[in-house]
Amino acid sequence: QVQLLQSGPEVKKPGSSVKVSCEASGGSVSSESLNWVRQAPGLGLEWMGGIIPIFGVPNYAENFQGRVTITADESTNTVFLEVTSLRVEDTAVYFCARDHRPGIYSWFDIWGQGTLVTVSS
Amino acid sequence: DIQMTQSPSSLSASVGDRVTITCRASQDIAKYVNWYQQKPGKAPKVLIYGASSLQSGVPSRFSGGGSGTDFTLVISSLRPEDLAFYYCQQNYETPYTFGQGTRLEIK
Repeated sequence: QVQLLQSGPEVKKPGSSVKVSCEASGGSVSSESLNWVRQAPGLGLEWMGGIIPIFGVPNYAENFQGRVTITADESTNTVFLEVTSLRVEDTAVYFCARDHRPGIYSWFDIWGQGTLVTVSS
Repeated sequence: DIQMTQSPSSLSASVGDRVTITCRASQDIAKYVNWYQQKPGKAPKVLIYGASSLQSGVPSRFSGGGSGTDFTLVISSLRPEDLAFYYCQQNYETPYTFGQGTRLEIK
């Protein structure tokens, strides 16, 4: 059974960058869609973008285009989320999630544990 | 982007009650809706996919319905462990969007 393990919490200054990792164990995710979902404190879920590692071409939500980069390393079964020019309002828990697509429907069936990124001066 | 309008934003119900949460999409999305449960400090967990299919391992008191623009999540008989936030999600097209969430409290 695939599990997703994310990197640990980060504290960053406004204007800096952060890179969060999500490593899959228990199976390859090279041909799977891995996605990033953000949850600001006390708020709901927001899809940021995703990538299929074997293709390597990310798909971003327009809200995050330009400040967010999603990459994948097939050799380590890991996907990454980098956010630049951090703002206080980027303070959130960032989740990675696998988009399981066995047929015409798909759903986020496996999630990482979440990574808290705190942006504060 | 497709907007998902979820209601109510919060509700309080008693153990054994039937609970219904609704989600309305801003355009026809067929049955491309999933429902998630999120407990405090945890990642979301899928309950329903394809609007009405129960995810393996999820109790049968959870059910989903609807198609087009209107969708429902029903808990047939509320249990204490159902205390959580619930979110709908459309995956008809990217950007995938979620409803604002429903906070479910137990009276």
